[in-house]
Amino acid sequence: GESVGLHLPTLSVQEGDNSIINCAYSNSASDYFIWYKQESGKGPQFIIDIRSNMDKRQGQRVTVLLNKTVKHLSLQIAATQPGDSAVYFCAENKGNTPLVFGKGTRLSVIA
Amino acid sequence: EPEVTQTPSHQVTQMGQEVILRCVPISNHLYFYWYRQILGQKVEFLVSFYNNEISEKSEIFDDQFSVERPDGSNFTLKIRSTKLEDSAMYFCASSLNRGLRGMNTEAFFGQGTRLTVV
Repeated sequence: GESVGLHLPTLSVQEGDNSIINCAYSNSASDYFIWYKQESGKGPQFIIDIRSNMDKRQGQRVTVLLNKTVKHLSLQIAATQPGDSAVYFCAENKGNTPLVFGKGTRLSVIA
Repeated sequence: EPEVTQTPSHQVTQMGQEVILRCVPISNHLYFYWYRQILGQKVEFLVSFYNNEISEKSEIFDDQFSVERPDGSNFTLKIRSTKLEDSAMYFCASSLNRGLRGMNTEAFFGQGTRLTVV
C-alpha cells in the first residue's frame, strides 16, 4: 500500500552543524506535507509544512524541500542545537484524507 | 497559546476493562482526531470526527472503539474491552479545517495518554 517512510532511522550531528532529515513518500497524489518533532513522552509538535505547489519553504532555522519528481521531502535544520534532539516525522495527506505518518528519524545532537 | 489537552496522562487498566480517554481540543477547531503510537513505532491514524460524526476511520478502529463529543468542549475515545495490544500512547489532535477549498491546515496534537493494559 501507499505509505510515507524515512531513509534513515537515526542521525547524529555535532552541535552547530546543519542537519538534513529525509523522507520518501509513495502517494503521488499527496498535496500537503508536514514535519513534526516529537520529544520523549510528548505529542508530535508541528515544525513546518509545505503544499505541493511549492518546492521550498523556510521557517526559523528550518527549511523544507519538496521534490515531487522523485517524491522526496527533506527537513534541514540550521545550526543544530541540543534542544533539537528528538524524533522527526514527516506526514502527508491529500484533501480530506487523514495524515499518514512516516516511521520517524531520531536526531541526536552531540555537544 | 491554545493547546490540546488530554487526560489522564497515564492510564493502567486490566485486560477486558473499559477505558475512556479524554481530550479537550482547541476551542475554535472543527476537526478532531485520535491517533495512537505503539512504543517505538510510528503514529497511526484511528479516527477523524467532524460535525458530530465520524468522517473517516482506519482498520484499527474496530467495534471495540467509539468516539463521542458529549458537550461543546470534550472529545472522548472509549475502548470497550481492552486487550494487551491496545497498550500505546493515544494522541488527540484537532485542526481548524481540512480540505476546505483545497487548503489543508496543520493538526495540533495533545501530549498523549499512555495506556497500559495488564
